[in-house]
Amino acid sequence: KAGVTQTPRYLIKTRGQQVTLSCSPISGHRSVSWYQQTPGQGLQFLFEYFSETQRNKGNFPGRFSGRQFSNSRSEMNVSTLELGDSALYLCASSPVAGVPKEQYFGPGTRLTVT
Amino acid sequence: QKEVEQNSGPLSVPEGAIASLNCTYSDRGSQSFFWYRQYSGKSPELIMSIYSNGDKEDGRFTAQLNKASQYVSLLIRDSQPSDSATYLCAVDNTDKLIFGTGTRLQVFP
Repeated sequence: KAGVTQTPRYLIKTRGQQVTLSCSPISGHRSVSWYQQTPGQGLQFLFEYFSETQRNKGNFPGRFSGRQFSNSRSEMNVSTLELGDSALYLCASSPVAGVPKEQYFGPGTRLTVT
Repeated sequence: QKEVEQNSGPLSVPEGAIASLNCTYSDRGSQSFFWYRQYSGKSPELIMSIYSNGDKEDGRFTAQLNKASQYVSLLIRDSQPSDSATYLCAVDNTDKLIFGTGTRLQVFP
């Protein structure tokens, strides 16, 4: 079974621009969660989508948004990029929403904001 | 107090030894606990999950959970240089996973 895929793998953007990242979950998985990973803060939860609905949201500003499509693929958008948004963005898929949450991560998108 | 705490390390152990990685959490209501391994430059990989008090073994890995003490640990027996990585503890919190910042493990020959 193919794993979680994320595109693009690397991205360089300028402050003020916006960016859209894509995630395709493992086949049959309906829950997609997004995380931001930085050396200082570690892995921080952004949001989770299940059946095209946002189920949960972390403590990130409204510039961070997402959506999920009927085929469970998910996109994450960051508007008005700031230097501090430079990070590894990871998505993780799970068969179901809720506890327990065995999540499987994609390879990530490395975003650099200059 | 952080919700999930881990010693950042590095924890250095010789090849063949037992590596012991520890994690404490603050939410007494947490029911699900996970250990992820992350190699440098790679994404986290799920290696163990544990839901009940006690030990759970899988190959060279043993996860231990003590809910009364709010403590979860991971033991790696017969450590190999290929085990050198950062190990992340994750705990469920109101229907989302909270991750610790990880413990870097170094296994030297």
